[in-house]
Amino acid sequence: SQQGEEDPQALSIQEGENATMNCSYKTSINNLQWYRQNSGRGLVHLILIRSNEREKHSGRLRVTLDTSKKSSSLLITASRAADTASYFCATDPISGGYNKLIFGAGTRLAVHP
Amino acid sequence: DVKVTQSSRYLVKRTGEKVFLECVQDMDHENMFWYRQDPGLGLRLIYFSYDVKMKEKGDIPEGYSVSREKKERFSLILESASTNQTSMYLCASTHRTRQSYNEKLFFGSGTQLSVL
Repeated sequence: SQQGEEDPQALSIQEGENATMNCSYKTSINNLQWYRQNSGRGLVHLILIRSNEREKHSGRLRVTLDTSKKSSSLLITASRAADTASYFCATDPISGGYNKLIFGAGTRLAVHP
Repeated sequence: DVKVTQSSRYLVKRTGEKVFLECVQDMDHENMFWYRQDPGLGLRLIYFSYDVKMKEKGDIPEGYSVSREKKERFSLILESASTNQTSMYLCASTHRTRQSYNEKLFFGSGTQLSVL
């Protein structure tokens, strides 16, 4: 089974609204990363949060990590139509071995003008 | 700008053909990866390489092989393409860290392969 699982699978909002996506995982991790993928393209790294961090910001992005609940959330504030994409969390499990980032199935975000 | 370049965006091949997918990075990264992406399944690791001529199997290596003769280039080979290998293939690279954790990956734009 997948280490990271995003929720919801799909999200549809209006421009200006906030978008929140969640990621749950099963085992202890070194870090958790969020990536973005525009339709038919490669993934772009957004933000990395280490296991000893609880919150991180980057521009309009806010990521939280709760290691006790094994969950993370990605908040995009004041969304724009250009934020329409799929968002993936990737976990780096402590026991997973070197170079074993594990990706979830993603959340498809649609932001309507 | 750092770059990971995959040779083809779209590829259509016949069952049984030998298929080469090429990936080149210009960041002097030690580690390179091949993933396949299928709807609802996320990204699954096929192979990765941590140095020239070094490779390790990922989660789904069956039906694939790889080649890394130069540091900047990592090739994925489908020895005899089958219809169940129709997928989006993504190459990625990253620096090797001294610690045993994984830093962010840099991805190519992907190759959508259709095997008919």
